[in-house]
Amino acid sequence: DTGVSQNPRHKITKRGQNVTFRCDPISEHNRLYWYRQTLGQGPEFLTYFQNEAQLEKSRLLSDRFSAERPKGSFSTLEIQRTEQGDSAMYLCASSPRLAGDNEQFFGPGTRLTVL
Amino acid sequence: AQKVTQAQTEISVVEKEDVTLDCVYETRDTTYYLFWYKQPPSGELVFLIRRNSFDEQNEISGRYSWNFQKSTSSFNFTITASQVVDSAVYFCALSEANNYGQNFVFGPGTRLSVLP
Repeated sequence: DTGVSQNPRHKITKRGQNVTFRCDPISEHNRLYWYRQTLGQGPEFLTYFQNEAQLEKSRLLSDRFSAERPKGSFSTLEIQRTEQGDSAMYLCASSPRLAGDNEQFFGPGTRLTVL
Repeated sequence: AQKVTQAQTEISVVEKEDVTLDCVYETRDTTYYLFWYKQPPSGELVFLIRRNSFDEQNEISGRYSWNFQKSTSSFNFTITASQVVDSAVYFCALSEANNYGQNFVFGPGTRLSVLP
């Protein structure tokens, strides 16, 4: 399978715990995006990497959120001191283009439930 | 500012009916891209179509067709002879060329239920 993969697919945690999600983009895609989707809504942009550089962050990304892409390949998204409002689907997407129409390929998502 | 509106929250049709999903967008850029994605119950977003702002030609792909009209800032999606497998949430998305990361702005989605 050469698509975008995300792990874990589901995560249940207690409020106050830290969680980390992983995204493996399609090989050689230099752009990687994280989105958050809450129930009944469209995905909302969180952050964007070009290779290993995190170039853009949404205001949705509070101080409790951090994302890395250390070698320009896979990426991790960590949420510290989780809150119930963090419950959502976290989607990762990758794109091969430096410019142009930027088709994004999405992974299956990680569904986070904070109790 | 970018914004995508999908006014239809939910639509139900009976199999074999035609259905049109509406999408209206706002952007200040002259170069932008519009997308439609399908999200079946499994959750993964499936790419359907991409359109750039300079190409207003309508497109047909099998039972799917798209009507892009810059004059009304709309990019509507029609499914002809709908099938139960078309049941899903459909998202319209906008990406601006001058937005550095070209991240997507999604609409809230339209949930389509096709009844047998």
